Amino acid sequence: GAGVSQSPSNKVTEKGKDVELRCDPISGHTALYWYRQSLGQGLEFLIYFQGNSAPDKSGLPSDRFSAERTGGSVSTLTIQRTQQEDSAVYLCASSKTGGRDTQYFGPGTRLTVL
Amino acid sequence: KQEVTQIPAALSVPEGENLVLNCSFTDSAIYNLQWFRQDPGKGLTSLLLIQSSQREQTSGRLNASLDKSSGRSTLYIAASQPGDSATYLCAVPASGGSYIPTFGRGTSLIVHP
Repeated sequence: GAGVSQSPSNKVTEKGKDVELRCDPISGHTALYWYRQSLGQGLEFLIYFQGNSAPDKSGLPSDRFSAERTGGSVSTLTIQRTQQEDSAVYLCASSKTGGRDTQYFGPGTRLTVL
Repeated sequence: KQEVTQIPAALSVPEGENLVLNCSFTDSAIYNLQWFRQDPGKGLTSLLLIQSSQREQTSGRLNASLDKSSGRSTLYIAASQPGDSATYLCAVPASGGSYIPTFGRGTSLIVHP
């Protein structure tokens, strides 16, 4: 079907609030990735899902960050008690089966924490 | 830990030039290498994926080569156009059986008319 979609496209929140970011991968793709891209920085890996399982959570920066995936499809990234340093673009990507396949990226969610 | 370096960090050229963007990686035990393009305020678009068994891949005016033993890849852009202006990133999976990609910081390209 369509490409990877993410919502919202922009999110402005106050420090200390919780936010949820959503990713809809390409239908049938079993692998899903979350990344963070800060201004002037490279792409930072956050978490990887294979189906509904997350074999690698090593990139989550703190316990304020969590993610889940349901039905092998939609994923949500939750940031609790947001801090100003969480401001970044959060990108989601999916691939057909995993590491040897092309990754397809969504347009990202720009998060601004005031 | 896999590290990916891209040179140059920025490039500004007149239209029509042939370009070479470089990517180097520290651990040669990779499954593949992927080149992406990112336009300002957008996500990444996959350009080319080279499997470890391949030496190069071509798509239109783009040609990517891979030399695993030396830990290098190059992206060649022929007859550059203003529409090629974007940031180009390369990514390789981490070593040790991990499938998690490590990205370079990118090369910011401006092609002026």
